[in-house]
Amino acid sequence: QVQLVESGGGVVQPGGSLRLSCAASGFTFSSYGMHWVRQAPGKGLEWVAFIRYDGSNKYYADSVKGRFTISRDNSKNTLYLQMNSLRAEDTAVYYCAKDPTGEEYYFDYWGQGTLVTVSS
Amino acid sequence: EIVLTQSPATLSLSPGERATLSCRASQSVSSYLAWYQQKPGQAPRLLIYDASNRATGIPARFSGSGSGTDFTLTISSLEPEDFAVYYCQQRSNWPFLFTFGPGTKVDIK
Repeated sequence: QVQLVESGGGVVQPGGSLRLSCAASGFTFSSYGMHWVRQAPGKGLEWVAFIRYDGSNKYYADSVKGRFTISRDNSKNTLYLQMNSLRAEDTAVYYCAKDPTGEEYYFDYWGQGTLVTVSS
Repeated sequence: EIVLTQSPATLSLSPGERATLSCRASQSVSSYLAWYQQKPGQAPRLLIYDASNRATGIPARFSGSGSGTDFTLTISSLEPEDFAVYYCQQRSNWPFLFTFGPGTKVDIK
């Protein structure tokens, strides 16, 4: 069955960096687009970034553009999110989520999330 | 940018009752609308896609309807495990971004 397992979260100071990983299994990772979606404590869901199955196209929310970079290693079945210049408002649980086909508009599977806390 | 509005913010019902949740888009999204359920401490789960198609393993008591700007998620008879927060979601092509509604919390009356 599809499994997505995030890691790399933790506490970081404002202005710092962190790299999140999402290990995928149970499906042909290299055939599907992947997303990062976040949820601040007690708040709703916010889409962060998308990468096409082959890494050729990447899209970002305005709130993270220029600071976050999404990437993938299809040989390792792993999705990444490099987060730089972190701000307090980036504090959230970060989920990786799978696109059901190549470039759909919704997410069919989600990981359990990893918590990122930006605080001094 | 398309904005999604959900109503009500909170719905207080008893097990066995029917729940009707609304999602309105600021402009037409055709039938490209999805619904998710999220329980405390858990990841969201896909319920409905393309406005009315149930995702794999979703019970028949969940149904979706609508097109254009007005959508409805209906739970025909609430089970104890259905008390949760429900989000609608869509994608716009220009700019290319994905948006969620603010959510409707269904809690026990």
